[in-house]
Amino acid sequence: GAVVSQHPSWVICKSGTSVKIECRSLDFQATTMFWYRQFPKQSLMLMATSNEGSKATYEQGVEKDKFLINHASLTLSTLTVTSAHPEDSSFYICSARPGQGLQPPYEQYFGPGTRLTVT
Amino acid sequence: GNSVTQMEGPVTLSEEAFLTINCTYTATGYPSLFWYVQYPGEGLQLLLKATKADDKGSNKGFEATYRKETTSFHLEKGSVQVSDSAVYFCALSDPRYSGGSNYKLTFGKGTLLTVNP
Repeated sequence: GAVVSQHPSWVICKSGTSVKIECRSLDFQATTMFWYRQFPKQSLMLMATSNEGSKATYEQGVEKDKFLINHASLTLSTLTVTSAHPEDSSFYICSARPGQGLQPPYEQYFGPGTRLTVT
Repeated sequence: GNSVTQMEGPVTLSEEAFLTINCTYTATGYPSLFWYVQYPGEGLQLLLKATKADDKGSNKGFEATYRKETTSFHLEKGSVQVSDSAVYFCALSDPRYSGGSNYKLTFGKGTLLTVNP
């Protein structure tokens, strides 16, 4: 159980275009989803936290107008990279947290990631 | 702010060798500590966790003990297998620092482990 999928697994787009990445929790409802970015040989960097039905909370330094996040349902969150540039090329990973999780620790279930290459 | 430092990789071992991957942390509050594993082509999976000082997390032969005095959470396994080859991430969550219920994770850079037969 607790499977998170991402689509697409890899995408190549031209500079200036937009690309959408989907994150789905397949067998549970996710009240909270997280979006991370991972550079080669670097740690995962949290970009934003999204709660179903409300606006996403972005981390400092992340442009909310460039990385649009929509969490319209309890099983789906999308990340849209708008007007992509080569520096946006990276590995994007989502994770999903089930339920309300009142006590630590809790588990985030991670998707397999999406490799974005902007040419 | 919070940070996690783990040993640089890659680490290459022979099957049945002893494994240690060091992890130290800096946190403003009382974090929970985690080790995640990422197998090739897959998403991160929680390997083990510890929520308070002196707790020992264990799973699949891996162990890590929450040492508050040394702010460490080193990962160990007595006898590694080829199937343990993966990237291992140390992480912490501090609900106070995270602003409550969202429990944001702070990750180390990851350590690539390769086990040869």
